[in-house]
Amino acid sequence: GDSVTQMEGPVTLSEEAFLTINCTYTATGYPSLFWYVQYPGEGLQLLLKATKADDKGSNKGFEATYRKETTSFHLEKGSVQVSDSAVYFCALVRPGGSNYKLTFGKGTLLTVNP
Amino acid sequence: DSGVTQTPKHLITATGQRVTLRCSPRSGDLSVYWYQQSLDQGLQFLIQYYNGEERAKGNILERFSAQQFPDLHSELNLSSLELGDSALYFCASSPGQTTNEKLFFGSGTQLSVL
Repeated sequence: GDSVTQMEGPVTLSEEAFLTINCTYTATGYPSLFWYVQYPGEGLQLLLKATKADDKGSNKGFEATYRKETTSFHLEKGSVQVSDSAVYFCALVRPGGSNYKLTFGKGTLLTVNP
Repeated sequence: DSGVTQTPKHLITATGQRVTLRCSPRSGDLSVYWYQQSLDQGLQFLIQYYNGEERAKGNILERFSAQQFPDLHSELNLSSLELGDSALYFCASSPGQTTNEKLFFGSGTQLSVL
């Protein structure tokens, strides 16, 4: 079945550091890929998405590129802020058929210190 | 604020009991999704409803059931509760039927089974 593997956390960085959170997936066909973010005490929010190979999703300084050859969708940000502290989830969905469910990775906790 | 409302925010109950979790989707959204988030399993898709009808089923136990009412709010019923059912239960909504769209998540109901 479909699966998403994220790097284990927690990740602790200083403000303005470079961030990479690795995500790889297993799925048949051409899934759409997502990054969701969960701030403390809140529900998940869509951060960015990519729907086909070589697409780059970007939002709020975060970027991720859909790499079909390596089945990856790594999240990057050039300079993190304290306000980026949250849990980040990589997810995929296989459109079509009866499979509408999002499959999530286990999440990576990011803490950014001033 | 995502526009998705979940009640109650916290629920403490005993093993063997039955509880009902409620979700009001964003205005105009026809799809409602239920997810369970636990430390060991991560975020697991349970079930999706679209305009009152069940659309997709994930890892939902037989002790659990859900429905979506004509006013589009949804309820998740959990019965014969076990300690392992303790988790954060999220509801999400989207305008249409496929999770290729952006999902809007509520802030969750924290269930503790003692």
